Amino acid sequence: GQQLNQSPQSMFIQEGEDVSMNCTSSSIFNTWLWYKQDPGEGPVLLIALYKAGELTSNGRLTAQFGITRKDSFLNISASIPSDVGIYFCAGLTTDSWGKLQFGAGTQVVVTP
Amino acid sequence: DTAVSQTPKYLVTQMGNDKSIKCEQNLGHDTMYWYKQDSKKFLKIMFSYNNKELIINETVPNRFSPKSPDKAHLNLHINSLELGDSAVYFCASSQTPGDGDSPLHFGNGTRLTVT
Repeated sequence: GQQLNQSPQSMFIQEGEDVSMNCTSSSIFNTWLWYKQDPGEGPVLLIALYKAGELTSNGRLTAQFGITRKDSFLNISASIPSDVGIYFCAGLTTDSWGKLQFGAGTQVVVTP
Repeated sequence: DTAVSQTPKYLVTQMGNDKSIKCEQNLGHDTMYWYKQDSKKFLKIMFSYNNKELIINETVPNRFSPKSPDKAHLNLHINSLELGDSAVYFCASSQTPGDGDSPLHFGNGTRLTVT
């Protein structure tokens, strides 16, 4: 099956710093999604990307759909303590009926 | 007014027991899912139902049996629980096909611990 490689595995950053993480795949996806999971809760969608090269922002979050359709990245600018959590990339193909392929997650820890 | 609610939140049981996890969504979605998150936080789909019909059945032991009495409910029954079944199980729902236009909405998970 498709493999999603997400990096880094974890990040320890100071408040105010920017964060970058990315995902690469061995196969093409038609949709890239970025989710955030807070402790004790389910993943929540942050950003959805539909076209190669697309750059989309949601507040301090910016994500891009790679030109090759095999990668995506997520940036968080000016991090704040509530950015703490696990960030997951997920890929979807058109015929997959919502069968998301998830990356392994990036644990973000923000220190004051 | 929780969109996707699953019960119980925590489930501790002994090996060999049979247990069920319930899930309900009030979003009017026609597709529901069960995902499993292991100890390394990796999320993997187990099942998907569309309008009460099974459409995705990943390689999951047949001890796991999903049941969808209607499109707002998808329950998961697990027979003869094993230690390796310990994980967090997430229910989710979406409007077909579950892309960004209709993203998956996840419940808050059921942490299953088998002793």
